[in-house]
Amino acid sequence: KQEVTQIPAALSVPEGENLVLNCSFTDSAIYNLQWFRQDPGKGLTSLLLIQSSQREQTSGRLNASLDKSSGRSTLYIAASQPGDSATYLCAVGVGGTSYGKLTFGQGTILTVHP
Amino acid sequence: KAGVTQTPRYLIKTRGQQVTLSCSPISGHRSVSWYQQTPGQGLQFLFEYFSETQRNKGNFPGRFSGRQFSNSRSEMNVSTLELGDSALYLCASSLEGRTSGSDEQFFGPGTRLTVL
Repeated sequence: KQEVTQIPAALSVPEGENLVLNCSFTDSAIYNLQWFRQDPGKGLTSLLLIQSSQREQTSGRLNASLDKSSGRSTLYIAASQPGDSATYLCAVGVGGTSYGKLTFGQGTILTVHP
Repeated sequence: KAGVTQTPRYLIKTRGQQVTLSCSPISGHRSVSWYQQTPGQGLQFLFEYFSETQRNKGNFPGRFSGRQFSNSRSEMNVSTLELGDSALYLCASSLEGRTSGSDEQFFGPGTRLTVL
């Protein structure tokens, strides 16, 4: 059974810091991994998708890497801003007959203070 | 391009009642997945529909059901509501629901269900 763990559970940083969020998964047989952000009481916003054949993806100040063999992904946020405050979730897809099912971590609550 | 929409956004029901939630996917997306999000359990997969057929189902009791229409819109129904059903219900759409390659899931804003 695939399990996804995110560390740390919460992180508070001053504005302008570069930071790293971690995601680990127990079964390396994944086909893609997505990072999402969730604002309080809202839905999920897709940030980055990494296919299993890729090592990293970048979008603006965000960079996500994937190491399937070690079962890890990291989300790097450069020059953090108060607007980055949210819960960040990673989710893995295993393809095959597991249609539509992403397995999520519990999330990292990020607070960026001015 | 319009995103995933869900209605209603908020619902308050009492134990024993039933409820129907609606989800309209992004235009051109044929797969709709449903998730339940609670503080204790996080995000848990309910089921997935593609071309009006349920292809995958999570570990939830039979009180939770769904369907999909020919225009890809989907509904989920919860019967005989229990206090523990209080949650944020999220739907996600993707092109084919393959959870592999470039098939990305996009989520709606969710329906907040409160059971009293």
